[in-house]
Amino acid sequence: DIQMTQSPSSVSASVGDRVSITCRASQGISTWLAWFQQKPGEAPKLLIYAASTLQSGVPSRFSGSGSGTDFTLTISSLQPGDLATYYCQQAYSFPRTFGQGTKVEIK
Amino acid sequence: QVQLHQSGPGLVKPSQTLSLTCAISGDSVSSKSATWSWIRQSPSRGLEWLGRTYYNSKWHSDYAASVKSRITINPDTSKNQFSLQLNSATPEDTAVYYCAGGLFWFDPWGQGTLVTVSS
Repeated sequence: DIQMTQSPSSVSASVGDRVSITCRASQGISTWLAWFQQKPGEAPKLLIYAASTLQSGVPSRFSGSGSGTDFTLTISSLQPGDLATYYCQQAYSFPRTFGQGTKVEIK
Repeated sequence: QVQLHQSGPGLVKPSQTLSLTCAISGDSVSSKSATWSWIRQSPSRGLEWLGRTYYNSKWHSDYAASVKSRITINPDTSKNQFSLQLNSATPEDTAVYYCAGGLFWFDPWGQGTLVTVSS
C-alpha cells in the first residue's frame, strides 16, 4: 500500500496568513493526488484533484502543486471559514490511501 | 448535481453484520463514468477506503485487503443505490462510514453514519 504522510499535523495562523501543508507519498504517484477539506461534523469535501486542479466552486485562495512524491496545498490568505482538517489522498493505485490530516486553526 | 444519501442502523452488536445503504440522485449506479465507494473514519485508523463497485460491461468490485474476507458492496439498480455489508463486526469497526462517488476522485460524499459496534 502507498503511505501518505502529511506535515505538519496542526498549524495555527492568523487571518490573512499564507498557510502551506505538505504531503509525501511513499512511492511516486505522478499527479494522482487529491486534497480534501473536512469541517467538524461534516463529510470531507474535494478541494483539488490531479494535484493542482481546483474543484468547481472552491475559492481561488486554495492551490495545489507537486508531482511524484511531494505535494503542497497552499491557502494564500487564510479566512475564518478555512478552520478545518485537510487530507491528501492518492488515486494512483488500490487501495486508495489518505494522509493522517492537518488541522488548521485560526489564531 | 449528484447527491448521496446514506441510511442504516447506528448500533450493531459484535459478531453481527454491519449494513448500510447509499441512495444516489442525479446519476445512475450503472453509469460507466462513475464508481461507488465506501470509506470509514475513526480516530485510530483515520480515513480508510473499504471498497467500491462499478459497472463496465459487467459489475466489478474491489476491496481493501484489511476487510476483504468480511465485506460485500452490492449495487441495486432497481432502487439506484448501493450497499455495504461488513460481516462479523467487532468494536474495531466502530467508525463514521461514508459512501462516495466519482470516477477517479471521491466526489460527492454521503452525509456519514456513525456506526457503533457494542453489545
